[in-house]
Amino acid sequence: DAGVTQSPTHLIKTRGQQVTLRCSPISGHKSVSWYQQVLGQGPQFIFQYYEKEERGRGNFPDRFSARQFPNYSSELNVNALLLGDSALYLCASSSEGRGEQYFGPGTRLTVT
Amino acid sequence: GNSVTQMEGPVTLSEEAFLTINCTYTATGYPSLFWYVQYPGEGLQLLLKATKADDKGSNKGFEATYRKETTSFHLEKGSVQVSDSAVYFCALKNSGGSNYKLTFGKGTLLTVNP
Repeated sequence: DAGVTQSPTHLIKTRGQQVTLRCSPISGHKSVSWYQQVLGQGPQFIFQYYEKEERGRGNFPDRFSARQFPNYSSELNVNALLLGDSALYLCASSSEGRGEQYFGPGTRLTVT
Repeated sequence: GNSVTQMEGPVTLSEEAFLTINCTYTATGYPSLFWYVQYPGEGLQLLLKATKADDKGSNKGFEATYRKETTSFHLEKGSVQVSDSAVYFCALKNSGGSNYKLTFGKGTLLTVNP
């Protein structure tokens, strides 16, 4: 079975631009979580969606938003990019919101 | 709030050496504890987990025991291999209302030399 997939793999954007990252969960999983991993640090929780509803949000500004689609895939949007948004963005899926989380390979975002 | 503290890296060992990576945590209630591994250029893989006090998680020769009295979950392996070179993250998931998110430590880089 396919694991969690994310696209694109790498992305380079300029300050002030907007970016959309995509995630497809493991088949049958209804929950998707997003994490930001800055170089040299552990992942930080951004959002979780379960059954298309936002279940939780981490300590991130309103420039960060997400949604989940009827097929349970998800998008993370970041507006007005800052240099500090440069990071690896990880998506994790689970069968239900409180279950074990399986991570995708991540999208490496570089903001110049 | 929840927090995880890991020993500072990097850790450099020779093949077949004994490995310990310390992890302590602060959390309310009875969290579940995890060790994740991240190989270069890849996402996170779950290495092992423990869901209650005195549980021992184990996988691929790695072990960690949930010690509630010392709020610790130290990772150990008796004989490391070059292929174990990676970044290791300790993490917790609360048992209470926010039990949908993982809280991670900063990670420990392990390098194993032949």
